[in-house]
Amino acid sequence: GDSVTQMEGPVTLSEEAFLTINCTYTATGYPSLFWYVQYPGEGLQLLLKATKADDKGSNKGFEATYRKETTSFHLEKGSVQVSDSAVYFCALSGHQGANNLFFGTGTRLTVIP
Amino acid sequence: GAGVSQSPSNKVTEKGKDVELRCDPISGHTALYWYRQRLGQGLEFLIYFQGNSAPDKSGLPSDRFSAERTGESVSTLTIQRTQQEDSAVYLCASSSRSVREMGTGELFFGEGSRLTVL
Repeated sequence: GDSVTQMEGPVTLSEEAFLTINCTYTATGYPSLFWYVQYPGEGLQLLLKATKADDKGSNKGFEATYRKETTSFHLEKGSVQVSDSAVYFCALSGHQGANNLFFGTGTRLTVIP
Repeated sequence: GAGVSQSPSNKVTEKGKDVELRCDPISGHTALYWYRQRLGQGLEFLIYFQGNSAPDKSGLPSDRFSAERTGESVSTLTIQRTQQEDSAVYLCASSSRSVREMGTGELFFGEGSRLTVL
């Protein structure tokens, strides 16, 4: 069945460090891929998305490229800030006809000054 | 309201008791989802409502779980005879269209209801 495997955390980085959070997926067909973020005390919110192979989603300095050949959608940011501290979830839309998104376990990122 | 609202934010109950969790979606959103997140695990889909259509209950883990939604308004998730394995954060999300229809997957989530069953 459809699933997402996400890099386990927690991840702790110093401010301005480079961030990568790995995400790989298993799916039938051609899913859309997403990164959601949950800041402390808030609900999950969409960070970026890509709907087909080789698409790059980007937002707030974060990027992720839909790689069909490696079934991956790794999240990257060149220079993290303290305000990026949050839990990040990789997700995919299921096969055609599915009503839900499949989420990874989440990766907690802490950025220290 | 401005966002998805869930209550209670925290609930501690004894094994065997019934609990009811409430979700108030964003006004005008026709689609509503319930997810569960157990400690160290990903979000687990429970149930989906779309307008007045029959709900997709395929994710409900047992017949102790049920949910209702009237039209496009508030939804309640009820867990009967709670067990310790029901301890989790229950998340509600809404969107203006279904995932299937829009293909973009933008769901708007509440902060969740943390349930602890002793």
